[in-house]
Amino acid sequence: DTAVSQTPKYLVTQMGNDKSIKCEQNLGHDTMYWYKQDSKKFLKIMFSYNNKELIINETVPNRFSPKSPDKAHLNLHINSLELGDSAVYFCASSQQGLGYTFGSGTRLTVV
Amino acid sequence: AQSVTQLGSHVSVSEGALVLLRCNYSSSVPPYLFWYVQYPNQGLQLLLKYTSAATLVKGINGFEAEFKKSETSFHLTKPSAHMSDAAEYFCAVSDLNTDKLIFGTGTRLQVFP
Repeated sequence: DTAVSQTPKYLVTQMGNDKSIKCEQNLGHDTMYWYKQDSKKFLKIMFSYNNKELIINETVPNRFSPKSPDKAHLNLHINSLELGDSAVYFCASSQQGLGYTFGSGTRLTVV
Repeated sequence: AQSVTQLGSHVSVSEGALVLLRCNYSSSVPPYLFWYVQYPNQGLQLLLKYTSAATLVKGINGFEAEFKKSETSFHLTKPSAHMSDAAEYFCAVSDLNTDKLIFGTGTRLQVFP
């Protein structure tokens, strides 16, 4: 059983399109996150949700809209994709800052 | 604000040699510190974590790290490098106010035969 699973693993799309990435965790954690890893491998938090409530929004463009239907799911919808959105997006979950478990990543390529 | 600094974006060692990856932290409160490894085209795997218990933390794959408050450091070591250790390593600190993980810029470890 995969603890944090995200789909799809790869996503290639044209500029201007809208796409979604899904994430699910079966660890019972209260908090879920989206991180972005750029081409230089730098990891930066985008959003965090605690029990379906938005906690952190790190000055991400409003083209990015996270949605958490329940505490086990955190999806990321991106409107009007731009070339600069190309990156690897990681979903993660944690329990009170003691353990963070990451998904295997979604490599988004905008052409 | 809490942060971590990883000294050296690239480290190269011979197989069998000591691995030392450096991490210094900045925190106004006792931090929770982590080391993650990322193999090529894969996700992040937790190597070890410090959560204010023992200062010497042992992790997976023979890695360990020592929390030194006086030096604000949490360096990662392994006595003998294997070819399979070649990967990107990230040090991270947990911001307990916001419950988010703040990463360093990463260190790429190369292991030569």
